[in-house]
Amino acid sequence: NAGVTQTPKFQVLKTGQSMTLQCAQDMNHNSMYWYRQDPGMGLRLIYYSASEGTTDKGEVPNGYNVSRLNKREFSLRLESAAPSQTSVYFCASSRDRLSGNTIYFGEGSWLTVV
Amino acid sequence: GESVGLHLPTLSVQEGDNSIINCAYSNSASDYFIWYKQESGKGPQFIIDIRSNMDKRQGQRVTVLLNKTVKHLSLQIAATQPGDSAVYFCAEKGSNYGGSQGNLIFGKGTKLSVKP
Repeated sequence: NAGVTQTPKFQVLKTGQSMTLQCAQDMNHNSMYWYRQDPGMGLRLIYYSASEGTTDKGEVPNGYNVSRLNKREFSLRLESAAPSQTSVYFCASSRDRLSGNTIYFGEGSWLTVV
Repeated sequence: GESVGLHLPTLSVQEGDNSIINCAYSNSASDYFIWYKQESGKGPQFIIDIRSNMDKRQGQRVTVLLNKTVKHLSLQIAATQPGDSAVYFCAEKGSNYGGSQGNLIFGKGTKLSVKP
């Protein structure tokens, strides 16, 4: 009963390094999302993919790129990490985006940029 | 712009008491609301949801109330237990404004601490 699985769980990067966060869901959901969560703030949407083959910017997309590799997988890439990108990242999925279906979250990826 | 916020950032209750966590939203066109529970070191976990055509919805030990007149949402937890200690987020589904249509907007969260 995996649900949404994201890797890695923890990562430390140096400023300017690149990395990719991987996410996969096994619920046959159409829509997938990447959020970031900073202390004292709610989750903020970075990018989303309403369906396979489409991606769109969310509230805070700068410094990130995404790839919807197939229906199951949605990756988030930091091309040149900055300390401001130190955060907890959550991948999520839902059956679709507009009908108000429940969004299910992964366990989170803790990223520190030094 | 629209926002979803909470009246109290922290709430401390005695085990066995009822808890009420409040949330205000600003977009009267929002049509779907969700409460999430987030335990330390974990992702948000769905608790209960409600659509705008309802005023109340009950789950197991939890009740969500929606007051569209004052744009207020609350989560009531009956007989609060130590395992209920977590941060609770309300989220609002944007309906018909700009590029955020269909995306969830999260409040900042309320930390619930249950004293044994």
